[in-house]
Amino acid sequence: SQQGEEDPQALSIQEGENATMNCSYKTSINNLQWYRQNSGRGLVHLILIRSNEREKHSGRLRVTLDTSKKSSSLLITASRAADTASYFCATANTGNQFYFGTGTSLTVIP
Amino acid sequence: DAGVIQSPRHEVTEMGQEVTLRCKPISGHNSLFWYRQTMMRGLELLIYFNNNVPIDDSGMPEDRFSAKMPNASFSTLKIQPSEPRDSAVYFCASRPTGNYGYTFGSGTRLTVV
Repeated sequence: SQQGEEDPQALSIQEGENATMNCSYKTSINNLQWYRQNSGRGLVHLILIRSNEREKHSGRLRVTLDTSKKSSSLLITASRAADTASYFCATANTGNQFYFGTGTSLTVIP
Repeated sequence: DAGVIQSPRHEVTEMGQEVTLRCKPISGHNSLFWYRQTMMRGLELLIYFNNNVPIDDSGMPEDRFSAKMPNASFSTLKIQPSEPRDSAVYFCASRPTGNYGYTFGSGTRLTVV
């Protein structure tokens, strides 16, 4: 079954604004990852944060992880129209498989 | 590297027919995963292989579904007989050992009528 749950389900912002998406999960994890999916395409890996890390940056992306609250957030700064996509968090426990949340649909209005 | 390659991209078939989906993982990736994506259930892990060996197939919905990985560069997901409720996008993904993300294929959109 899926572990992650993203919030909000849908988000619409103006170009240039920041977008924040949240992910909550249920069990202990080894790491947490964020993926992007453009309409009709496969998922693209964005960033991985290990369970012993609290924050990670990659370009305009900033990910935080709070294992005590079993939650993570993805911040996209200075959003662009090309950032329009669905964003998923995926969690991995001690096993090799990842479980995906239901996704946040982000629309960036030019 | 061409990435994870799935075929066909689209498949339309009649109920009761056999459907075979194919996947070529990235060379050197020793884990391969099959996912199914629908609006209602999101992304569901069906089965995954490690070094060509099936490790967890608990997500395979029914005996109508089977998956094989005869070698490190090829895997198939077969549905026999297919039903309309199997309509979905089926993704294959691979990853190497360690803390790495998946690389997904472009998916196969299956429609069973």
